[in-house]
Amino acid sequence: QVTLKESGPVLVKPTETLTLTCTVSGFSLSNDRMGVTWIRQPPGKALEWLAHIFSNDEKSYSRSLKSRLTISKDTSKSQVVLTMTDMDPVDTATYYCVRGTLWFGETPTHYYYSYYMDVWGQGTTVTVSS
Amino acid sequence: QSVLTQPPSVSAAPGQKVTISCSGSNSNIGKNFVSWYRQLPGTAPKLLIYENEKRPSGIPERFSGSKSGTSATLGITGLQTGDEADYYCATWDSGLSAGLLGGGTQLTVL
Repeated sequence: QVTLKESGPVLVKPTETLTLTCTVSGFSLSNDRMGVTWIRQPPGKALEWLAHIFSNDEKSYSRSLKSRLTISKDTSKSQVVLTMTDMDPVDTATYYCVRGTLWFGETPTHYYYSYYMDVWGQGTTVTVSS
Repeated sequence: QSVLTQPPSVSAAPGQKVTISCSGSNSNIGKNFVSWYRQLPGTAPKLLIYENEKRPSGIPERFSGSKSGTSATLGITGLQTGDEADYYCATWDSGLSAGLLGGGTQLTVL
């Protein structure tokens, strides 16, 4: 059974750095095509894609938040860590880690990606307040 | 504002069919596969459709997906009150080298 579980602080102060850990089980972070994505959802608002780490350790970030985000993994510990610097009250949200399957294909005329998020963690709520 | 555009809300009566659209561009939906997610109130989202039209095991046949050009559509037939939820589309953007999520559509079953 594949599971992902987020952990981290419930409350952070403005300007602080948030560090969230996602511990996975049931699959390896080195499995081809399988990576981990972080998604967040402010209260009452839509989901927002944040970052993805590939099985080969490549990283991808939301363009709007790239300067504040770092994603990394420790395959031996089955953990993925997301850090977000300079936290602000608008960053108050539920943060989800998700198993993201991503693979790349080619045709004679173009290449294409298949990307989907098939197993979600329960989410962890982070409040930014002084 | 999301790069993938969904209608904020749709509604239909129980037993009826509803479609939810997701509009993107050549660098995302136009090139890559689309997935769909359902988020029931107070819960984490769940994968409904992947690779435009495939259903994970356990997802009923009344959920379907399609794609044409730079738009994708989620269809739900035989609507039930339990289908009331927020629905999101997602894909990869080849230009941004990043994932994208739609703004979400709230489904009301009248």
